[in-house]
Amino acid sequence: ETGVTQTPRHLVMGMTNKKSLKCEQHLGHNAMYWYKQSAKKPLELMFVYSLEERVENNSVPSRFSPECPNSSHLFLHLHTLQPEDSALYLCASSQDVWGPFYGYTFGSGTRLTVV
Amino acid sequence: GDSVTQMEGPVTLSEEAFLTINCTYTATGYPSLFWYVQYPGEGLQLLLKATKADDKGSNKGFEATYRKETTSFHLEKGSVQVSDSAVYFCALFSGGYQKVTFGTGTKLQVIP
Repeated sequence: ETGVTQTPRHLVMGMTNKKSLKCEQHLGHNAMYWYKQSAKKPLELMFVYSLEERVENNSVPSRFSPECPNSSHLFLHLHTLQPEDSALYLCASSQDVWGPFYGYTFGSGTRLTVV
Repeated sequence: GDSVTQMEGPVTLSEEAFLTINCTYTATGYPSLFWYVQYPGEGLQLLLKATKADDKGSNKGFEATYRKETTSFHLEKGSVQVSDSAVYFCALFSGGYQKVTFGTGTKLQVIP
C-alpha cells in the first residue's frame, strides 16, 4: 500500500470517551504532521514529528496527545474532547525537515464528531 | 507573519468555461508557492508548485505563475470539467521550521 493512510475515516465520540486516530505512511518520509481542518478556517498545524521526535506543538490543548512510535506511524490520542473539536483531522508527511519545500502528501482524513 | 488570501467561493462555472482563482500572499523572503486540491471526502493533494519568481507550475491543465511584483499566484484552467469540482487551497512555505501557511480554500462547482 502506498501513500498516507488514516483510520478511522469517521469517528463519533462522547466528551468523556478516549479514542485514537491512526496514520501510516509507506513513502519513506521522515517527517509527519497532524493538521486540523475546520469549516471556513485555514488549516491549523497541530503537531510536527521529524525522525520520530516532536519538533512542534502549536499550542494545542493537552486533551490532544500525539505519539510517533516510528517514522511510518503517527497517532493522535483524544480524551475529554469538546464539541468545538469536531473537525476533519488530516495527517501529512514529507521527505524531511525541508519537505514542505516540495509539498506534503496528505491522508484522506478522519472526520471527528464530538457529541 | 505569513498569510495567504484567496477569493471566497463558491465559484460556479459551466463545463468548458475558463477558470481563475485568485491568490495573494504576504511573506518574508522568497517563499515557495503551492496549490492543493481537495476532492469531496478526501485529503489534500498537491496540484502544482513554483519555487521562485516567474516560475510557472502546471499540472492536469491547471497553471499558476509566481508573480513577485504583485505577490500573487493565481490558478487558471482554460476549460474546466465536472470532475474539477473540488476545494482549492493556495499555500506558501517561506522557510522556518516546517511551517506551511494555507489559505481558507475556494470551492469550485462545475455544472454540466
